[in-house]
Amino acid sequence: DIQMTQSPSSLSASVGDRVTITCRASQGISNYLAWYQQKPGKVPKLLIYAASTLQSGVPSRFSGSGSGTDFTLTISSLQPEDVATYYCQKYNSAPHTFGGGTKVEIK
Amino acid sequence: QVTLRESGPALVKPTQTLTLTCTFSGFSLSTSGMCVSWIRQPPGKALEWLALIDWDDDKYYSTSLKTRLTISKDTSKNQVVLTMTNMDPVDTATYYCARMDILTGYYIDYWGQGTLVTVSS
Repeated sequence: DIQMTQSPSSLSASVGDRVTITCRASQGISNYLAWYQQKPGKVPKLLIYAASTLQSGVPSRFSGSGSGTDFTLTISSLQPEDVATYYCQKYNSAPHTFGGGTKVEIK
Repeated sequence: QVTLRESGPALVKPTQTLTLTCTFSGFSLSTSGMCVSWIRQPPGKALEWLALIDWDDDKYYSTSLKTRLTISKDTSKNQVVLTMTNMDPVDTATYYCARMDILTGYYIDYWGQGTLVTVSS
C-alpha cells in the first residue's frame, strides 16, 4: 500500500503568517490528492482536490501544489479561523489512505 | 441536497460484531460513478480510511482491516452497511460515512456527522 506522510505534525504561527504543510506519498499518485480541514469537534471539510483545485467557497488564501509524490498545502495569510487539523488523502486507487494530520495553532 | 447519516450502537462489547448503517439522500448508489466510503477517527487521533463500495457493487477494504470488514449496499433503501467483527477497545472511534462521485473525482465531497462507537465491557 502507498503510505502518506505529512509534516510537520503540528505547527504554531502568528496571524498573517504564511503556513506550509507537506504531504509525501511513498509512490507516485499523479495529482490524485485532496486536502481536508477539520476544526475541533467538527466534520472534515474538503479544501482542495486534484492537488491544486480549490473547492467552491474555500477562501483563496488556501492553495495546493504538487504532483507525483510531493504535495504542499499553503495558507498565504493565517487567520484565527484556520485553527484546525489538516489532512491529505490519496484517491488514485484504493485504499484511499489519509496522512497523519497537521495541527495548526495560533502563536 | 446531499446528506448522509450514520446509525448504530454507541457501545459494543469486546469480541462483538459492530453493524453500522449509512442512510443517505440527494444521490443514488445506482447512478454511475457514485461511491460511499467509511472512515473512522479514534479520539484525538487521525482519520483512517476503512472501506468503499461503488455503484457497480465493487468493494474495497483497508489492507490491515479487510479480514474484519464487510461493506454492502441496499440501493432501494439508499443505505450502505458496514460490519466489523471481533471488536476491540482500540476500535473505539467516531465512524463516518462519506460520498464520492468518481465522475468529478474520487475525493470525498460530502461527509456524515459521524457516530461515536465505544468498545468496552
